[in-house]
Amino acid sequence: AQKVTQAQTEISVVEKEDVTLDCVYETRDTTYYLFWYKQPPSGELVFLIRRNSFDEQNEISGRYSWNFQKSTSSFNFTITASQVVDSAVYFCALSASNSGGSNYKLTFGKGTLLTVNP
Amino acid sequence: EPEVTQTPSHQVTQMGQEVILRCVPISNHLYFYWYRQILGQKVEFLVSFYNNEISEKSEIFDDQFSVERPDGSNFTLKIRSTKLEDSAMYFCASSGLVSTDTQYFGPGTRLTVL
Repeated sequence: AQKVTQAQTEISVVEKEDVTLDCVYETRDTTYYLFWYKQPPSGELVFLIRRNSFDEQNEISGRYSWNFQKSTSSFNFTITASQVVDSAVYFCALSASNSGGSNYKLTFGKGTLLTVNP
Repeated sequence: EPEVTQTPSHQVTQMGQEVILRCVPISNHLYFYWYRQILGQKVEFLVSFYNNEISEKSEIFDDQFSVERPDGSNFTLKIRSTKLEDSAMYFCASSGLVSTDTQYFGPGTRLTVL
């Protein structure tokens, strides 16, 4: 079974601070996929990034960066120079084949509410 | 940019009534999903659908729920006899040509059961 843990329930920062959102996952599959989704106050789920288990290269995209560490089963997300518009709930999610099956449903963490104050 | 659409955005119904939530997935996608998010909680998988049949369903997806792709564009979730605990945001998602493709979500339908 898959499990995603986001230990931080809420984080509050002041604009321009850097903030890191933690994600730890569990799966028995050797091939799996990790995602971050953003849920702003309007409620929709916005895809941010995807990482394949066989690609540990970390990525920077503008103010966003991701740190995938297979050895610690972590997939952390950092926002540099945070802005008020970054305020949202951020979900980490895992997709795996359930040990050989063909279905890749998403298992979500409980989310981290990020509030960026002006 | 193609996107998943859902209607209605908000549905209010009385307990015991049937509701149908509608989704139009991204046009060339082959895999379709429904998820549910009870207010303030995490997003939970309900069902996945491929090649006109359910490929997996969660224990939440009991006999009161059904899904259908009645034509080439719509994907629907029906709840036959709604309960108070069905009140939630329901998200439709679709993904591309292979099951491992990224899932893109619609804006959600907020269902309120009174």
